[in-house]
Amino acid sequence: GAVVSQHPSWVICKSGTSVKIECRSLDFQATTMFWYRQFPKQSLMLMATSNEGSKATYEQGVEKDKFLINHASLTLSTLTVTSAHPEDSSFYICSARARDRGRKTEAFFGQGTRLTVV
Amino acid sequence: ELKVEQNPLFLSMQEGKNYTIYCNYSTTSDRLYWYRQDPGKSLESLFVLLSNGAVKQEGRLMASLDTKARLSTLHITAAVHDLSATYFCAVDIVGSQGNLIFGKGTKLSVKP
Repeated sequence: GAVVSQHPSWVICKSGTSVKIECRSLDFQATTMFWYRQFPKQSLMLMATSNEGSKATYEQGVEKDKFLINHASLTLSTLTVTSAHPEDSSFYICSARARDRGRKTEAFFGQGTRLTVV
Repeated sequence: ELKVEQNPLFLSMQEGKNYTIYCNYSTTSDRLYWYRQDPGKSLESLFVLLSNGAVKQEGRLMASLDTKARLSTLHITAAVHDLSATYFCAVDIVGSQGNLIFGKGTKLSVKP
């Protein structure tokens, strides 16, 4: 299957600082990328959807000024957690999809990023 | 409201036994996925089911899809310890941008 690379795999940061997470589709052009968050022992919850070249669409309850998403190219989306607090500590996973003759292709997931805010 | 319900949420099995995990969903879907997640890791794709009556098998795992009943099953045959993990089903909603709706996951523990 296609490869989605997420970086870093884990990061520890101090409260109040910002952290950037990258999500790259390595062998296909991702027209849409998704950012999910997963708390311990819970399922994945969608945070936002981003389409290349346009503003991200955030799910209800997700602060767009805190979780900045940029999808500047068809192969790269970034999630920046601004002014991080301990409650932002979580596992963040990106997913990427393309379109083939108008149909959505299979969803591919990155390796995830474990964020710990101390 | 879109719902994807998985059961059971916890499953403790003995090696060699068989069991089935169920995934019910509440709206029309054009694709259903099964994933495995090991602790601290991301999702590993197991199966993608595209049409009614689809059945796929890989090793000791077999997945099926009944779109009329909006039900998918993941059947485990002769479980081994290496299958211990959390299993998620996820649904692709017709007409959506492509985000998946996940079930809560089934934590499987296979004991010797």
